[in-house]
Amino acid sequence: QQKVQQSPESLTVSEGAMASLNCTFSDRSSDNFRWYRQHSGKGLEVLVSIFSDGEKEEGSFTAHLNRASLHVFLHIREPQPSDSALYLCAVSTTGNYKYVFGAGTRLKVIA
Amino acid sequence: EAAVTQSPRNKVTVTGGNVTLSCRQTNSHNYMYWYRQDTGHGLRLIHYSYGAGNLQIGDVPDGYKATRTTQEDFFLLLELASPSQTSLYFCASRDRATETLYFGSGTRLTVL
Repeated sequence: QQKVQQSPESLTVSEGAMASLNCTFSDRSSDNFRWYRQHSGKGLEVLVSIFSDGEKEEGSFTAHLNRASLHVFLHIREPQPSDSALYLCAVSTTGNYKYVFGAGTRLKVIA
Repeated sequence: EAAVTQSPRNKVTVTGGNVTLSCRQTNSHNYMYWYRQDTGHGLRLIHYSYGAGNLQIGDVPDGYKATRTTQEDFFLLLELASPSQTSLYFCASRDRATETLYFGSGTRLTVL
């Protein structure tokens, strides 16, 4: 069964510094990856989706996928205090309608 | 963008109580999902459905029933609620073209 783990559990960065989050998955057939953000007390909003090795940029968010090493990263460029939230990685396989989520990384951006 | 609406926003019940959580999506997505979110576990899939009358078992289904009455409406039922079901519950629908899940705002359930 697919296992998705995220690290670190929590991360504090200064405003404007790059933030890097890691997601590790176990099923090598996975080909559908998303990063979501969840502000406290709110639902999840999708940030970036990636389906093949390499990078995908959406605004200040860049996902980097390396399927051989079973990693997908999220880099947040010049984060603001408003980016303080829980960041969740979701993994799936085309044709499988189940999505497995990691436990999340709680990001705090300080001014 | 998909609109997914959950109700109620908050619910408190007692052990053994009967609870129904509601979810409606207005973008004609086929797939709908119920997840629970607990600290340290992330989101765990309870049940999902690909259309009216259909139900698929998720990863943590024990103690939960679900029913998809229409394309738009998906309900989660706790017939004998227990304190272990205290959690934040999310409903989502899936966009077929992008395979993206769109989430509601969640229902916080407390079982005393």
